[in-house]
Amino acid sequence: KNQVEQSPQSLIILEGKNCTLQCNYTVSPFSNLRWYKQDTGRGPVSLTIMTFSENTKSNGRYTATLDADTKQSSLHITASQLSDSASYICVVSVDSNYQLIWGAGTKLIIKP
Amino acid sequence: EAGVVQSPRYKIIEKKQPVAFWCNPISGHNTLYWYRQNLGQGPELLIRYENEEAVDDSQLPKDRFSAERLKGVDSTLKIQPAELGDSAVYLCASSPGGQGVLETQYFGPGTRLLVL
Repeated sequence: KNQVEQSPQSLIILEGKNCTLQCNYTVSPFSNLRWYKQDTGRGPVSLTIMTFSENTKSNGRYTATLDADTKQSSLHITASQLSDSASYICVVSVDSNYQLIWGAGTKLIIKP
Repeated sequence: EAGVVQSPRYKIIEKKQPVAFWCNPISGHNTLYWYRQNLGQGPELLIRYENEEAVDDSQLPKDRFSAERLKGVDSTLKIQPAELGDSAVYLCASSPGGQGVLETQYFGPGTRLLVL
């Protein structure tokens, strides 16, 4: 069964600190992996998208990594800001049918 | 450029009542999606349109849910009759089309439905 699991479920850190969110997936055939940011009461916004051949991709203070062998991805946030408080969702695309498998998300809270 | 527009933003109804949600995608986007998102979970695809055609409605509960996309632009999602378990956020998204598996979806703010 195609699944995406994220950890931790929630995380609280102080402003200015770094953090790393984890995503493990069992999706086949794999096409690409995306990270979305979802602010409370808003729709998800795409941060990064990585294909099988890409190991890392950055978007400002956000850096995503992908290890296709172990089927793991991480999202690293550098020098966190209050506006980073949101849910971060890992999404894996199935190659054969364009289906997206969504994780449950990690709820990140940045405290001043 | 305007984003995906959804209305209403909030809706409270009693069970067994009908409800409808409206979505206006980004101009020029051929593909439109409806998702349902329960609290603390990721979105779940209900239906995907390519222009006017529903190309994936396998997860749409067809006994009570219906959707249409007139003229390949705006779309309406309807629930009749609503049940308590339908309480969720209903998200609409659109994408340009033609990018295959690398297609990026742009989401609207969602409609938060509460069924009492």
